[in-house]
Amino acid sequence: GENVEQHPSTLSVQEGDSAVIKCTYSDSASNYFPWYKQELGKGPQLIIDIRSNVGEKKDQRIAVTLNKTAKHFSLHITETQPEDSAVYFCAASKGDYGQNFVFGPGTRLSVLP
Amino acid sequence: KAGVTQTPRYLIKTRGQQVTLSCSPISGHRSVSWYQQTPGQGLQFLFEYFSETQRNKGNFPGRFSGRQFSNSRSEMNVSTLELGDSALYLCASSLSLSYGYTFGSGTRLTVV
Repeated sequence: GENVEQHPSTLSVQEGDSAVIKCTYSDSASNYFPWYKQELGKGPQLIIDIRSNVGEKKDQRIAVTLNKTAKHFSLHITETQPEDSAVYFCAASKGDYGQNFVFGPGTRLSVLP
Repeated sequence: KAGVTQTPRYLIKTRGQQVTLSCSPISGHRSVSWYQQTPGQGLQFLFEYFSETQRNKGNFPGRFSGRQFSNSRSEMNVSTLELGDSALYLCASSLSLSYGYTFGSGTRLTVV
């Protein structure tokens, strides 16, 4: 089955700096890759997603890149702010065949003021 | 627009008991999935329903079951509770199988 690895497990950055979180997946049939942000006491919130027919997607300060050949995808957050502090999860799924996501173990991001 | 609503938010049960958790998806969403979140195992897929039919099931024992009603609301049931079932149970809904899911805030189940 699918296996998703995520690095680093914790990340601390200064406010205004960039943060990068990387994930790798094992199943080449996976074609949908969402990123979720989870704040304390809340459920995961979808922040950006990418499908396998696209190499990069951007939404304001957040971007995701996908390398299908290497089977890895990354989340980039620029100009980080304290409210970006949270746990971030990547996930992979086979999209149209069913949304049973396999999640990475998560990255705890701390943005220091 | 109301989000995904899960009830109850917190629950304490004794080993051996059973429990039913409820999820009301976003209006118009027909697909509902359930996940278990624990510090040790992370987010693990339980099952997924679309139009009252179970489409996928994760690797959990038969003590975990679920169903979806005609109004897309969903319930999950855990029978013969074990201490290891203590977790945050998350429900997520989507317009269809092809869209990203919106999660609820979860039900925190503690088994004592």
